[in-house]
Amino acid sequence: ILNVEQSPQSLHVQEGDSTNFTCSFPSSNFYALHWYRWETAKSPEALFVMTLNGDEKKKGRISATLNTKEGYSYLYIKGSQPEDSATYLCAFTGNTGKLIFGQGTTLQVKP
Amino acid sequence: EAGVAQSPRYKIIEKRQSVAFWCNPISGHATLYWYQQILGQGPKLLIQFQNNGVVDDSQLPKDRFSAERLKGVDSTLKIQPAKLEDSAVYLCASSLIGPQQYFGPGTRLTVT
Repeated sequence: ILNVEQSPQSLHVQEGDSTNFTCSFPSSNFYALHWYRWETAKSPEALFVMTLNGDEKKKGRISATLNTKEGYSYLYIKGSQPEDSATYLCAFTGNTGKLIFGQGTTLQVKP
Repeated sequence: EAGVAQSPRYKIIEKRQSVAFWCNPISGHATLYWYQQILGQGPKLLIQFQNNGVVDDSQLPKDRFSAERLKGVDSTLKIQPAKLEDSAVYLCASSLIGPQQYFGPGTRLTVT
């Protein structure tokens, strides 16, 4: 059974704080690791698709790293803003091509 | 480019009733997915279509759930009869090539 775990489950930070979340996934049969941001009442929005070990991607104040050998990815948010409040989902794609999602990290940024 | 459309956005039904959800994928996307996201869990794939053929329905509870994509474009997902544990957000996604999937806003179903 493929297991994708995210931590923490929820996080409350003050505006301006920097924060990071972890996604753990199987290190075998790796194809891609996805990060999505899901705001309430909106569509999950793709942030990053990462495929290479050691990959680092950045989009504004958000960045992500990937370690496929040990099976983890970190998502960083620098200087959190209230509009960053959302659930952040990671998903693993193995050789089946299916997306296997973690349970998500819900971030609340207080002004 | 228009995104994935879903309707209704919210639905409240009583247990043992029936319900149907509709999805219109991004134009030209051959692959369509239905996911179920129960509160506190990640989305779980229910069924995957390639054009109008089923690729994977291994996690679809076939005694009560059904889905179709007759003309290879729009899709409907039906639950009959609904149970309390079916309360969830039902997400539709589509893809063109590669692993990237594009999601709709989901239908939030509450079964009372």
